[in-house]
Amino acid sequence: AQRVTQPEKLLSVFKGAPVELKCNYSYSGSPELFWYVQYSRQRLQLLLRHISRESIKGFTADLNKGETSFHLKKPFAQEEDSAMYYCAPPSGNTPLVFGKGTRLSVIA
Amino acid sequence: NAGVTQTPKFRVLKTGQSMTLLCAQDMNHEYMYWYRQDPGMGLRLIHYSVGEGTTAKGEVPDGYNVSRLKKQNFLLGLESAAPSQTSVYFCASNKGLASNEQYFGPGTRLTVT
Repeated sequence: AQRVTQPEKLLSVFKGAPVELKCNYSYSGSPELFWYVQYSRQRLQLLLRHISRESIKGFTADLNKGETSFHLKKPFAQEEDSAMYYCAPPSGNTPLVFGKGTRLSVIA
Repeated sequence: NAGVTQTPKFRVLKTGQSMTLLCAQDMNHEYMYWYRQDPGMGLRLIHYSVGEGTTAKGEVPDGYNVSRLKKQNFLLGLESAAPSQTSVYFCASNKGLASNEQYFGPGTRLTVT
């Protein structure tokens, strides 16, 4: 079965500092990974997917097959980035299996 | 285009009571899902449906039942609520392939006393 691990439950950084939210996966095939974000009292929404190789709100995520990681990064954190972040891989024909999430708190 | 909607937004139940949560989507999506979100546990899949008339168990199905009588609706039922079912429930839908983006509802906050 696919597994996604987000080792940090809570990550606190100061405004303007770099951010890295970690995600490791176990997957036997060619992975396609997603990051979802949930701002306070809002619904989850897709932040980015690795296949599109895009940068959303300054965030990027690089798939590292050697380390089986898909860490989410942003060079300069903003207060509005404070949210819950979930990493998720596809699971073939079964539904997405989300990681347990990391709460990012950006301190002014 | 309302996307994914959930009814109700909040509910308080007493132990043993029953209730049904309604999820509706207007995007003609084949797949629909029910998750529960608990602190430290992340999102856990309760049940899902790959099309009208079909349902399947997810990671934590015990104590819940679901029905997908119409493509646009996915109902989650609690027959006899327990305090352990206090949670925030999210419905989601997508086109059908696991690699497609999931669209989430706003959530239902349920408290069982």
